[in-house]
Amino acid sequence: AQRVTQPEKLLSVFKGAPVELKCNYSYSGSPELFWYVQYSRQRLQLLLRHISRESIKGFTADLNKGETSFHLKKPFAQEEDSAMYYCALSSMNRDDKIIFGKGTRLHILP
Amino acid sequence: DAGVTQSPTHLIKTRGQQVTLRCSPKSGHDTVSWYQQALGQGPQFIFQYYEEEERQRGNFPDRFSGHQFPNYSSELNVNALLLGDSALYLCASSSIDASGSYEQYFGPGTRLTVT
Repeated sequence: AQRVTQPEKLLSVFKGAPVELKCNYSYSGSPELFWYVQYSRQRLQLLLRHISRESIKGFTADLNKGETSFHLKKPFAQEEDSAMYYCALSSMNRDDKIIFGKGTRLHILP
Repeated sequence: DAGVTQSPTHLIKTRGQQVTLRCSPKSGHDTVSWYQQALGQGPQFIFQYYEEEERQRGNFPDRFSGHQFPNYSSELNVNALLLGDSALYLCASSSIDASGSYEQYFGPGTRLTVT
């Protein structure tokens, strides 16, 4: 079964502390993995995708096929990082449906 | 470009009624996907339209149907509404560029409440 699991509904981190949002997936084949973010009163938007290997707003995510994980990390949290984060996957077929996890709310404490 | 737009913003319907939600894709996009997001859940794929045809469908009953128009805009129709259909309905548009890359851009959603 195709599934994305985000074990934490809420993660509270102090400003300046490291952040790690966990994501595990189940998929037969080689999926494409994404992190989407939704800031307060804004629409859902793509943060990063594993094939790009980019760092966006200081966030990185490494695909670990052995552990079927795609954890999102940032070394120093900033208050503006407070948002809802969704891990998601899709097949490598172009423009295929996206399967989302339930999301983790990241709350940065001052 | 206003990006993906959806109407209406909010909607209240009664059980058994029918509803139509609308989506205009981002300029230059030809593919529209619809997602349902229940409270506390991630978005769940309903279906995708390309060239005015349903290209993919998720695990939703036939009460959920859609349409894509020649200008790439799309409608989502839900018949015989159930209380469980209450959710935020998201539209996403996309297009594959010359490099083969694509990204689904999401609209703000339509909040449907069924009473």
